[in-house]
Amino acid sequence: DTAVSQTPKYLVTQMGNDKSIKCEQNLGHDTMYWYKQDSKKFLKIMFSYNNKELIINETVPNRFSPKSPDKAHLNLHINSLELGDSAVYFCASSQRGGSNNSPLHFGNGTRLTVT
Amino acid sequence: GESVGLHLPTLSVQEGDNSIINCAYSNSASDYFIWYKQESGKGPQFIIDIRSNMDKRQGQRVTVLLNKTVKHLSLQIAATQPGDSAVYFCAEKSSGGGADGLTFGKGTHLIIQP
Repeated sequence: DTAVSQTPKYLVTQMGNDKSIKCEQNLGHDTMYWYKQDSKKFLKIMFSYNNKELIINETVPNRFSPKSPDKAHLNLHINSLELGDSAVYFCASSQRGGSNNSPLHFGNGTRLTVT
Repeated sequence: GESVGLHLPTLSVQEGDNSIINCAYSNSASDYFIWYKQESGKGPQFIIDIRSNMDKRQGQRVTVLLNKTVKHLSLQIAATQPGDSAVYFCAEKSSGGGADGLTFGKGTHLIIQP
């Protein structure tokens, strides 16, 4: 199936640990994103990555770092996890091409719980 | 800062009725708008989009209306079904360039009563 897939679906870890979330898209899109959804369902962009151009939301702590081994993958690394990092993290992709107007396709999320 | 928001956090309608979900945006540079549906445990799913050169667009059982004068967007769902129960988000994007994704509103929880 064509999709955006991310693993793991659930991630429970302790404060101070380092963890990674993987994301892959087989839609042939040229841009990938990471979003964070808080307990109130608010979705906020963390990163976008297009053709080796990384745009970072200035509010994201530098403990968070995206890594893109190729156009189909954008993994999220988180160092020194904190309680406030608990949230659902969504990967998404879109085809920017010559236009900014294309919908994002989302994965099903990774629920991160930091204890 | 500029933001996209929803008027009602929860909307309850009877099965078979029509529902309207509203969204206000404040960024006058927004030129592309999307409605997403998010079911429990899943990611946001694309429903319908509209560009700023249009004021109405129809899909299957859904219609999006855009009023740029008052910066208002709505999603109409006809003949609601139990499967329509979900959280609905409006999202917007400006034409400023850069791969900076979409800005989402806060979401409306649509509940379909049997």
